[in-house]
Amino acid sequence: ILNVEQSPQSLHVQEGDSTNFTCSFPSSNFYALHWYRWETAKSPEALFVMTLNGDEKKKGRISATLNTKEGYSYLYIKGSQPEDSATYLCALGLSGNKLVFGAGTILRVKS
Amino acid sequence: DSGVTQTPKHLITATGQRVTLRCSPRSGDLSVYWYQQSLDQGLQFLIQYYNGEERAKGNILERFSAQQFPDLHSELNLSSLELGDSALYFCASSGGNSASGEETQYFGPGTRLLVL
Repeated sequence: ILNVEQSPQSLHVQEGDSTNFTCSFPSSNFYALHWYRWETAKSPEALFVMTLNGDEKKKGRISATLNTKEGYSYLYIKGSQPEDSATYLCALGLSGNKLVFGAGTILRVKS
Repeated sequence: DSGVTQTPKHLITATGQRVTLRCSPRSGDLSVYWYQQSLDQGLQFLIQYYNGEERAKGNILERFSAQQFPDLHSELNLSSLELGDSALYFCASSGGNSASGEETQYFGPGTRLLVL
């Protein structure tokens, strides 16, 4: 059973701070790593799909890296804004497109 | 708006009852996935259908079943409900053309089930 760990559990930052959180996994026995953003009362929204060749992905102020050798992925947010407040989920994409999710990191950005 | 719809939004029922949750995937998507989000757990994969056939199964209880119809909508049936079944149930869809784990899944708004 693949165990996906996310840290920290929650994070409170000030507007303008840059922040990052971690997704750890025990092995590279998966096909892709997915990052989702989940705002309260909405549905999880896909941010990135990271394939095992390790390319950095970037979308505006948010970027992600994947290190399969050492078993982690980082999600970075540059210059956090209140609208970035959400739960950030990572998931491992397995054969058949089954996703195994971590528990998420809750981000709160204070203005 | 992801294009995935789920009904109902909320459901309150009693222990021992049976309910049906419905999901319509995005236009053109052939795969439908069901996930459960309980209070103390992350999103747990339950089951996947591709073009009407079951493709993958997760930690789905025997009291739960699902199907995907010819028009590609899917239903999740939960029977002999227990208090612990109270959760947020999400449906997601993807194109289904690849089984490589790389496909983005688009999530619906969820159905919140409360079993009293």
